[in-house]
Formats: sequence, structure tokens, C-alpha cells
Amino acid sequence: AQSVTQLDSQVPVFEEAPVELRCNYSSSVSVYLFWYVQYPNQGLQLLLKYLSGSTLVKGINGFEAEFNKSQTSFHLRKPSVHISDTAEYFCAVSSNNAGNMLTFGGGTRLMVKP
Amino acid sequence: EADIYQTPRYLVIGTGKKITLECSQTMGHDKMYWYQQDPGMELHLIHYSYGVNSTEKGDLSSESTVSRIRTEHFPLTLESARPSHTSQYLCASRRVTSGQETQYFGPGTRLLVL
Repeated sequence: AQSVTQLDSQVPVFEEAPVELRCNYSSSVSVYLFWYVQYPNQGLQLLLKYLSGSTLVKGINGFEAEFNKSQTSFHLRKPSVHISDTAEYFCAVSSNNAGNMLTFGGGTRLMVKP
Repeated sequence: EADIYQTPRYLVIGTGKKITLECSQTMGHDKMYWYQQDPGMELHLIHYSYGVNSTEKGDLSSESTVSRIRTEHFPLTLESARPSHTSQYLCASRRVTSGQETQYFGPGTRLLVL
């Protein structure tokens, strides 16, 4: 079985500061990893994904994430956040063994303050 | 903690059959959502509801329909399944507490139409 843990339910940060949203997963096989963002009153939007290759993945809106197999982590980072980044962020994992079905973490609310 | 249930978890069915994917939540959440996962593993919002008797189409056009007769129940129906409907369908609900929203995901239904 696969699972995802997002350690922080809320992350407050000041505008233009760097941010890291943590994500750890568990799976006995090779995985695919995703970060989704959900703005208020909208559906999920894909930020970035790791399928294979380079462990540093760049996504939209200046976000990036690094796949660390030894630590089973896929933390999301942005060097300088904006007020408009305020949203809920979800980490997700899938694998061939699970039929490529996505398993989501509990989400992290990023609150950017002026 | 919210409980979101989806049944069935896996469904293999022939072309032309009518199917209903069930989704229910036990926490009285008003907002509920259906997402479809495409082969590239991105999620697309296909339906949402803000409460009883409220249903709206999402970003991705879908031949499916939904109903919201009870707060806890948000079933999705395909009148005539086709192979192009093969996908993962993910249900979610949102809770609003002190002005903040938290989203909870069901385990998903993997549909294969032959």
C-alpha cells in the first residue's frame, strides 16, 4: 500500500520569503510523485510531477520539487512567494502496482502575509 | 477527520452499460467534487456541488451526470459507458471552518470500459 504524509497542515510565511512544503511518501515500489495546488473556490491544478529522470523538477509559478529516494521525500520549494500563492497544496503519489491510482496527502495550507 | 467513501474501487464493464459511481461523506460537508484522472495522471474537475440540489460542470467536459439529493451523497452516472471513459474518478469534499476550507479525498474508482 502507498501513503503520503504532509507534515504541516498550515505554513504561514511573509511575502518574498522562501518556503518549503514537506511531503513524505511510503511505497514498496517505484513511484510517480505530484504536487497539486487548489486556490479558493477552484479545482485542483497540477503544479509539477516527477515520473523519472532528473530528481529536480520545475513546475509552474516558480515552484520546484526535489525527489529524494533515500529519504522518500518530495518537498516543494519556492525561493520567493507572493500573496497570490496563498492556497492549499496537495502532494500525491501513484505507482504501477496501484494501477496508477493517486493517493493524496492531507494538504498544506500556505498563507502568505504582506 | 472526514471519511469519504467511494464504491466500487475497481469496475470493469462492457461498452453501452449504464454505471453509477458512488461517493458519500459522513461529516456533513456542503461542497463536493468529482475529478477525472487522465492518462498523463493529471486531475481534471468534471463536476462539483455546493449543496443539496446544486450541481455544476467543471473545467473538463464530461458525458457523465451527477445528482445531489442528500448532503452526504454525490453519485456520478454514465448512461452508456464507452472505452474513452476508462479512467480514475476521484471524489472529494470540503469543510469550511472559521473561514478556512479543507479538502478531503476519497480513495478513487478505477473504471475500465471494454
